[in-house]
Amino acid sequence: DAGVTQSPTHLIKTRGQQVTLRCSPKSGHDTVSWYQQALGQGPQFIFQYYEEEERQRGNFPDRFSGHQFPNYSSELNVNALLLGDSALYLCASSGTGRDTEAFFGQGTRLTVV
Amino acid sequence: AQSVTQLGSHVSVSEGALVLLRCNYSSSVPPYLFWYVQYPNQGLQLLLKYTTGATLVKGINGFEAEFKKSETSFHLTKPSAHMSDAAEYFCAVTREANFGNEKLTFGTGTRLTIIP
Repeated sequence: DAGVTQSPTHLIKTRGQQVTLRCSPKSGHDTVSWYQQALGQGPQFIFQYYEEEERQRGNFPDRFSGHQFPNYSSELNVNALLLGDSALYLCASSGTGRDTEAFFGQGTRLTVV
Repeated sequence: AQSVTQLGSHVSVSEGALVLLRCNYSSSVPPYLFWYVQYPNQGLQLLLKYTTGATLVKGINGFEAEFKKSETSFHLTKPSAHMSDAAEYFCAVTREANFGNEKLTFGTGTRLTIIP
């Protein structure tokens, strides 16, 4: 089992550009959540996808959008990048039902210059 | 709303000494509490979790934590620190039984340094 895999591992973008990050969930998981972890901070919840729809959303602007595909993989898109978007972006997957925990990927380190 | 406060952004202990990382939470509903560890340039790994039942929970790598409702605390301990314990530790809270499908609210983290 490969666990949660994210790509790319590192990315450098220029202010104003757009970026797409990708996540493949752990086998058997159907729910994907995205978190932003700024340097020296704890992860902050961006949004969660289930059955190809956004189920929950944190306090992030509309520049942050996502998608979930029929195979449960997911993308995080950020438009009009700001320097403050530089962070580690973590994807977590989980299954349905009680007592199912979230498993995290290694993250994508995004640097905006 | 739920929140977590981790007291001490940096903690240093000698190898073999007791590790104590502090976490206090705020929640208007019964909380589900977690400790995660993050090694440099890696994602988060679950150490242990409290849902319901026994208030003293044991996790991986010899760590344990005790849920104290009266003190709204969930401190992480390990009797004897090892060099491999050096990492960033995050306390997190969520609110429902199918906690894998609820958002996690994290603290700001505690960086643990082990002194040889």
